[in-house]
Amino acid sequence: ETGVTQSPTHLIKTRGQQVTLRCSSQSGHNTVSWYQQALGQGPQFIFQYYREEENGRGNFPPRFSGLQFPNYSSELNVNALELDDSALYLCASSRKDRDTGELFFGEGSRLTVL
Amino acid sequence: AQSVSQHNHHVILSEAASLELGCNYSYGGTVNLFWYVQYPGQHLQLLLKYFSGDPLVKGIKGFEAEFIKSKFSFNLRKPSVQWSDTAEYFCAVRKAAGNKLTFGGGTRVLVKP
Repeated sequence: ETGVTQSPTHLIKTRGQQVTLRCSSQSGHNTVSWYQQALGQGPQFIFQYYREEENGRGNFPPRFSGLQFPNYSSELNVNALELDDSALYLCASSRKDRDTGELFFGEGSRLTVL
Repeated sequence: AQSVSQHNHHVILSEAASLELGCNYSYGGTVNLFWYVQYPGQHLQLLLKYFSGDPLVKGIKGFEAEFIKSKFSFNLRKPSVQWSDTAEYFCAVRKAAGNKLTFGGGTRVLVKP
């Protein structure tokens, strides 16, 4: 167990809808990163949040947005869902001020867009 | 942009066989290198990492990896696999002290008892 929890574990949406995914980071961690893992592929970096601000972003459109809260938990929001957004969304926490390089992953939220 | 390629998508082995998984990356600067593993039904977890120093690094569960800078490679090895090593293995790279981890496509390893 990593101590990183994600919710919901599974959800189904239709094209055009919006979704919010949630992540609680491991105790003592102040940084949250989000990854998208399409079927049969490796995780792709969406963005990272540190001190409640976006701290780096991958090649994802603006309809992917996020938040980090004072307790270091985080949300990933996706607007105007497309079929290709169907994937496993992984949250990973770490501690930026003591960078060991290791990310601690949750078990993911599996999103299906119909 | 960084990229990572893993040579094999699927590997099937018998117990006690040796395992080597290839990983090559493209990035010209200083990098940190990682291997993550995902056992069936579990979350991704770190197997081992390389930041600097001895290019042969040892990780958990008897795994090791060798960084060959001239070949931009970071291959994973285990001399004798067990059934419990059945998992998906991901190679990953980031710029030194960067915030973005770039993963390869993964290799599914099945160890037959």
